[in-house]
Amino acid sequence: EVEVVESGGGLVKPGGSLRLSCAAAGFTFSDYYMNWVRQPPGEGLQWVASISGRSDYRYYADSVRGRFTISRDNDRNSLYLLMNSLRAEDTAVYYCAKFGYLEPLGYWGQGTPVTVSS
Amino acid sequence: NFMLTQPHSVSQSPGKTITISCTRSSGSIASDYVQWYQHRPGAAPTTVIYEDKERPSGVPDRFSGSIDTSSNSASLTISGLRTEDEADYYCQSYDASKWVFGGGTKLTVL
Repeated sequence: EVEVVESGGGLVKPGGSLRLSCAAAGFTFSDYYMNWVRQPPGEGLQWVASISGRSDYRYYADSVRGRFTISRDNDRNSLYLLMNSLRAEDTAVYYCAKFGYLEPLGYWGQGTPVTVSS
Repeated sequence: NFMLTQPHSVSQSPGKTITISCTRSSGSIASDYVQWYQHRPGAAPTTVIYEDKERPSGVPDRFSGSIDTSSNSASLTISGLRTEDEADYYCQSYDASKWVFGGGTKLTVL
């Protein structure tokens, strides 16, 4: 059974940094694209970033490009999101999700909340 | 770039059928697969339809998906509505190396 579990969320001041982690199980992690998706309070789902199985390709939403970095460690079956220069508008629940263009059946975690506030 | 537009909310009675639409703003709805996610508050989103009309194992056949090229839209239909179907539903599709979500539809079963 596919399982993804996020961790690392919390309260951070504007301009600060935070690293989110996602532990994956139940599939061959290195074979699949992984993603981060967020949901700001009272809003809908927003795609944040994607990374290919071998980290060859990384894609970012315009709103986070240059500030956020997606990475993975296939030996640890783990996905990461390093968030720098955080802004109030980055406040959201961040979800780790397995889906890709060739395998669009998605599996999601329960999310980890990030609050950017002074 | 395209957007996916969904109704903000829909409501229907238990046992009835509801259809939620997802309209693509540009380019053909048939160009890229559409997925549908169910999202209850505080829970992980779950896939109810992928690749336009495919149902993951464990999702009841009360859930079905389709696309209509004449209206350039995708639809999620839920028949025999149950109170546990009450949730937010999001459509999703792919746009040249990025993923696009609809704004979400709040389904109320009353």
